[in-house]
Amino acid sequence: SQTIHQWPATLVQPVGSPLSLECTVEGTSNPNLYWYRQAAGRGLQLLFYSVGIGQISSEVPQNLSASRPQDRQFILSSKKLLLSDSGFYLCAWIRGGLAGHHEQYFGPGTRLTVT
Amino acid sequence: AQSVTQPDIHITVSEGASLELRCNYSYGATPYLFWYVQSPGQGLQLLLKYFSGDTLVQGIKGFEAEFKRSQSSFNLRKPSVHWSDAAEYFCAVAGQGAQKLVFGQGTRLTINP
Repeated sequence: SQTIHQWPATLVQPVGSPLSLECTVEGTSNPNLYWYRQAAGRGLQLLFYSVGIGQISSEVPQNLSASRPQDRQFILSSKKLLLSDSGFYLCAWIRGGLAGHHEQYFGPGTRLTVT
Repeated sequence: AQSVTQPDIHITVSEGASLELRCNYSYGATPYLFWYVQSPGQGLQLLLKYFSGDTLVQGIKGFEAEFKRSQSSFNLRKPSVHWSDAAEYFCAVAGQGAQKLVFGQGTRLTINP
């Protein structure tokens, strides 16, 4: 069966510090991968998605970046965190192909607090 | 481009009462439609989806949704809510050929005992 992991589960970082969040998927190959953010009281904001290794599409210009060094690994990074980067970060995947054809599976999320 | 509107940010219903959460979408052709649920501090879980065929879709946990093309709507219903249904509910749409979902802003459901 397929599983999706995110770590860390919670993170408290000072403003200006770097960030690295990791997402890995098991039990499937060539998935589409997605990073979302939920700010407090807000909906889901798609940040990045990837349809293959090294292929990253950015949805919102900001000080975050994403990378996909391996087929089932998706990393969200920042060189210098801002207070506005606080939120709940969710990773998700679907079987490779079109988003409308497949259920999107979500990870447990990472709660990031920037102080 | 696709878009989704969930007009109700927060809804409160009594336990045992019926529920309807509204979702309106914008898309020129027949969309793929989804409802997801998120418990506090958790990821999202799929409740149901519409691809084609029967416009009344049954999902998990006793939920159903009806696709109405004329109204561009995909409202979620449950005849009798339970306290465990308290959560955030998201409607999402994907166009044909799309590689990503577009989510609504969510509706937070509170259940009164």
